[in-house]
Amino acid sequence: QITLKESGPTLVKPTQTLTLTCTFSGFSLSTSGVGVGWIRQPPGKALEWLALIYWDDDKRYSPSLKSRLTITKDTSKNQVVLTMTNMDPVDTATYYCAHQSAGTTPGAFDIWGQGTMVTVSS
Amino acid sequence: EIVLTQSPGTLSLSPGERATLSCRASQSVSSSYLAWYQQKPGQAPRLLIYGASSRATGIPDRFSGSGSGTDFTLTISRLEPEDFAVYYCQQYGSSPEYTFGQGTKLEIK
Repeated sequence: QITLKESGPTLVKPTQTLTLTCTFSGFSLSTSGVGVGWIRQPPGKALEWLALIYWDDDKRYSPSLKSRLTITKDTSKNQVVLTMTNMDPVDTATYYCAHQSAGTTPGAFDIWGQGTMVTVSS
Repeated sequence: EIVLTQSPGTLSLSPGERATLSCRASQSVSSSYLAWYQQKPGQAPRLLIYGASSRATGIPDRFSGSGSGTDFTLTISRLEPEDFAVYYCQQYGSSPEYTFGQGTKLEIK
């Protein structure tokens, strides 16, 4: 059974850097075709894709946020970390990590974490 | 950048009725990479359909997807009370690799 869980601060100040960790189980991020992505959702608004890291360490970022994002993986710890610099109140959102497998559900996120709410406020 | 536009914004129907949700892309999308999600309040999205028409594991067969090119449809053949939620389409392609539509809220009439 695949599970993912996000962790990190619930409150950050403007201009600070946000670091979120996705801890997963039930799959290996060294398996060909597997990826873990980050998606966020401001309160009452739509989903927005942020970044994704593949099994081979290929990394993809939303062009609009690329300069602020870094995604890394620690395969031995079954974790994926997302950092977002220069946080602003408009970045207030629920942040989700999600699993993707090119071999089973290509291009889609089949299993999601529960999400973690991050508020940006001074 | 591919933009996905979902319509209607809100759909009011009764249990037992048929729901038809639309997702239109600003450029052609590979059918292999069009997905639909359901999201209920306070919950994470749930994958319903991938590859435009393939149901994800455990999804009831009242949910079906169709379409190609720039026009895609999610159909719920006979609404159950638990189907009232927000639905998102999502595509995978060139940069940005992933985009979501703005969502359709399916509410009880």
